[in-house]
Amino acid sequence: AQKITQTQPGMFVQEKEAVTLDCTYDTSDQSYGLFWYKQPSSGEMIFLIYQGSYDEQNATEGRYSLNFQKARKSANLVISASQLGDSAMYFCAMRDALGGGYQKVTFGIGTKLQVIP
Amino acid sequence: AAGVIQSPRHLIKEKRETATLKCYPIPRHDTVYWYQQGPGQDPQFLISFYEKMQSDKGSIPDRFSAQQFSDYHSELNMSSLELGDSALYFCASSLLRGNSGNTIYFGEGSWLTVV
Repeated sequence: AQKITQTQPGMFVQEKEAVTLDCTYDTSDQSYGLFWYKQPSSGEMIFLIYQGSYDEQNATEGRYSLNFQKARKSANLVISASQLGDSAMYFCAMRDALGGGYQKVTFGIGTKLQVIP
Repeated sequence: AAGVIQSPRHLIKEKRETATLKCYPIPRHDTVYWYQQGPGQDPQFLISFYEKMQSDKGSIPDRFSAQQFSDYHSELNMSSLELGDSALYFCASSLLRGNSGNTIYFGEGSWLTVV
């Protein structure tokens, strides 16, 4: 079963507007973490924001916020005041707990965001 | 702040050759991960190490092997290269112990092209 689902292959947003990138996840673990990464065309994987499963507050990092709805198993990324430099591929990822406490990250297929001037 | 360092950044090899990628995790991080990202694909987990011991194995071909050394750097060895091995290879590191153990940081990746 797909652990991370990103249903928007591509999105457009007008510069200075806000945009929401969707992410749903599936896990039976009680302790897990959710991440968003940005991958520009140059290829590097840039960490944006993290939400722990026990965190009661939604995570925020500058213009990025994570809309965490645990019951719905969703972790949408909200980018406020989009900038041209936000054009990139965005990956939602989840960290599962394994036996012994070692944890790996599973990625969704990504959403390509294009910001229009 | 120091980040995850990967080398080489770009590598071109012929089929059936061998390639070695190196990764230097963020200092004091105890966990290293290797991922493979094919063109237009999401990153696929290959293998991870915790405190120099292999901790998990993903979709890593038998032709590939990896290890983590006493100084915590890691190497991914790929033999009998195939055209399909052409991809961006990421190393990532995290600190599982302690309050900052939640974030996983990636290196800039190593582009491998097999011709």
